[in-house]
Amino acid sequence: QVTLKESGPGILQPSQTLSLTCSFSGFLLSASSVGVGWIRQPSGKGLEWLATIGWEDVKHYNPSLKSRLTVSKDTSNNQVFLKITSVDTADTGTYYCAHSRADYYDGSPDWFDYWGQGVMVTVSS
Amino acid sequence: DIVLTQSPALAVSLEQRATISCKTSQNVDNYGISYMHWYQQKPGQQPKLLIYEGSNLASGIPARFSGSGSGTDFTLTIDPVEADDIATYYCQQSKDYPTFGAGTKLELK
Repeated sequence: QVTLKESGPGILQPSQTLSLTCSFSGFLLSASSVGVGWIRQPSGKGLEWLATIGWEDVKHYNPSLKSRLTVSKDTSNNQVFLKITSVDTADTGTYYCAHSRADYYDGSPDWFDYWGQGVMVTVSS
Repeated sequence: DIVLTQSPALAVSLEQRATISCKTSQNVDNYGISYMHWYQQKPGQQPKLLIYEGSNLASGIPARFSGSGSGTDFTLTIDPVEADDIATYYCQQSKDYPTFGAGTKLELK
């Protein structure tokens, strides 16, 4: 049974760094064609993919946010992390991590088949 | 980036057919595979994968859901619509870095 759960600070101030953790079970991130992605959703709005990390530490980022994002993993503890620097109010929303099928050759993410319940993040002064 | 366009809302009657469209700004097919996927999201819940690679039904999803299309035009069909299907539906492409449509809210007539 695949499960994922996000955790984060809840609230932070503009210009700070947001640190999120995704704890997962039921699959191995070291397996080929597997990735864990981060997707966010402002309240009442649509979905935006942020980053994905796959086996062999392959990483992919949303080009529009790449300079602010860092994704990493702790395979032995089944965790994936996302850091977003210099947050502002536009970064407020629900952040999801999700298991994804990834391309075998370059690890680029395809579809997201298992999602965590999401964690709400508010950026406010 | 590849832009996905969906109609904001669709009103449908129970037990009727719903067709939700998604148009992409670029071709999302490659070597016979459509890199188009569909999700359902209910209020307060995470998205749920319905269809992957254009027409493949995800595990545990009822056969009332189906996906079709190619190139730049794709459709999610629900037939017949049940009360539990009232939700927002998103398309997503993975031909390039992943992008999502803005969502179509399925409403009851």
